[in-house]
Amino acid sequence: GQSLEQPSEVTAVEGAIVQINCTYQTSGFYGLSWYQQHDGGAPTFLSYNALDGLEETGRFSSFLSRSDSYGYLLLQELQMKDSASYFCAVRNTGFQKLVFGTGTRLLVSP
Amino acid sequence: DTGVSQDPRHKITKRGQNVTFRCDPISEHNRLYWYRQTLGQGPEFLTYFQNEAQLEKSRLLSDRFSAERPKGSFSTLEIQRTEQGDSAMYLCASSPGPGAHGYTFGSGTRLTVV
Repeated sequence: GQSLEQPSEVTAVEGAIVQINCTYQTSGFYGLSWYQQHDGGAPTFLSYNALDGLEETGRFSSFLSRSDSYGYLLLQELQMKDSASYFCAVRNTGFQKLVFGTGTRLLVSP
Repeated sequence: DTGVSQDPRHKITKRGQNVTFRCDPISEHNRLYWYRQTLGQGPEFLTYFQNEAQLEKSRLLSDRFSAERPKGSFSTLEIQRTEQGDSAMYLCASSPGPGAHGYTFGSGTRLTVV
């Protein structure tokens, strides 16, 4: 099976940088994804890492270390609209489906 | 491309009633997934389709749940004899194929069983 661990909540101020960590245990690994979900909204795809290293997309970056079964999402120049829940997800053997973590609630204050 | 559509957005039903939800994926996507999400938790996998074939069903899904995708386009999720524990957000997602990096989710159907 798969399990993913994330901090339940992170707080930060506008303009700051925040890192949301994710550790995973899975049998068969084909990549780590990150999704953003605002209250009452649909999860939205942010990024995907299949190989070790950093992927950058605008203010958001995602990192993966397969040897450590660890990844993180880095959000820079935080804005109030970044207040949301962030989920890491792993793809299981054979690209069959995503398994999601329990999510990290990010609260950005002025 | 209007994204993934789900209907209804909200459903309140009495315990013991049957409910059916509909999902219309992005038209060129051949993979369709159903997830369930409760407050403060991540989406939990229920089942998925490759075209019209249902390829996997979660072991957490009881026999009261059934899903179809008859022509490989829209899908329905039916819950029979609803229980209060079925109250949740039911999310549908689609992707172009098995190797696609990201899913596109619909806004979900919020089910409340009273």
